[in-house]
Amino acid sequence: DAGVTQSPTHLIKTRGQQVTLRCSPKSGHDTVSWYQQALGQGPQFIFQYYEEEERQRGNFPDRFSGHQFPNYSSELNVNALLLGDSALYLCASSLPGRTNYGYTFGSGTRLTVV
Amino acid sequence: TQLLEQSPQFLSIQEGENLTVYCNSSSVFSSLQWYRQEPGEGPVLLVTVVTGGEVKKLKRLTFQFGDARKDSSLHITAAQPGDTGLYLCAGAQTDSNYQLIWGAGTKLIIKP
Repeated sequence: DAGVTQSPTHLIKTRGQQVTLRCSPKSGHDTVSWYQQALGQGPQFIFQYYEEEERQRGNFPDRFSGHQFPNYSSELNVNALLLGDSALYLCASSLPGRTNYGYTFGSGTRLTVV
Repeated sequence: TQLLEQSPQFLSIQEGENLTVYCNSSSVFSSLQWYRQEPGEGPVLLVTVVTGGEVKKLKRLTFQFGDARKDSSLHITAAQPGDTGLYLCAGAQTDSNYQLIWGAGTKLIIKP
C-alpha cells in the first residue's frame, strides 16, 4: 500500500518564477495538508484541503495557493518565488474525520530558489 | 500565538543511556502527536495521545500526556544507535481547528 507520494523530489527555481508541487494521499485518506519546513525547524502549516475546498489556512501570503482534485490528490502552487521560499514542502494526509489523530507524511519536495 | 516549547534542542548520548524529551505549552491541546524525522524524509507518526494523563508505550519509548493536556514527554530507555533522528511533537488545538502546532524538534544522536 503506497503511502503519500510527492513530486518532484527536488526542484530549483529562479526568483519571480512560479512552481507547482503535487501530492497523492495515502489510499483511504481524504484530507490533505501542506506544510513548509525550513532547515532546523518544525513544519509550518500552509493549508488543508477537504472535499476539494480549502478548509483552513495558516499564516502564508496569497502567493501560496492550492487545489484538491476529486481523487483527493492535491497541488500546491507558489507564485512570484522569493529566496525565503526555499524549504522542504511536505504533504500530509489523514483518515476521514481523524485529522487530530495523526497524519501520514510524504518525503517532501526540496525547493531551492536562486 | 500558540507555541510548543520543545527541549532539549540537541542531545548526544551513549548507547544504553536513558533520556527524556519535553514539550510544553501554556495552551490546551485536544491531542499531542509525536513524530520522528530522518534527514531528507517526512515525519513519521510514532504515537498520538488524547486523554490527560495518558501513557503509551512503543517498545523502549514511553509517551505521556500531561494531566492538563498542556505538555507531553517522550522517554527512551536504553537508547540504541537506531534511535538517532529528529523527534518532533505537534499539538492539535481543537477538534475544529486542523492546524497542528509544532515544536522545533529535538535532534538526538546515540553513539555506539
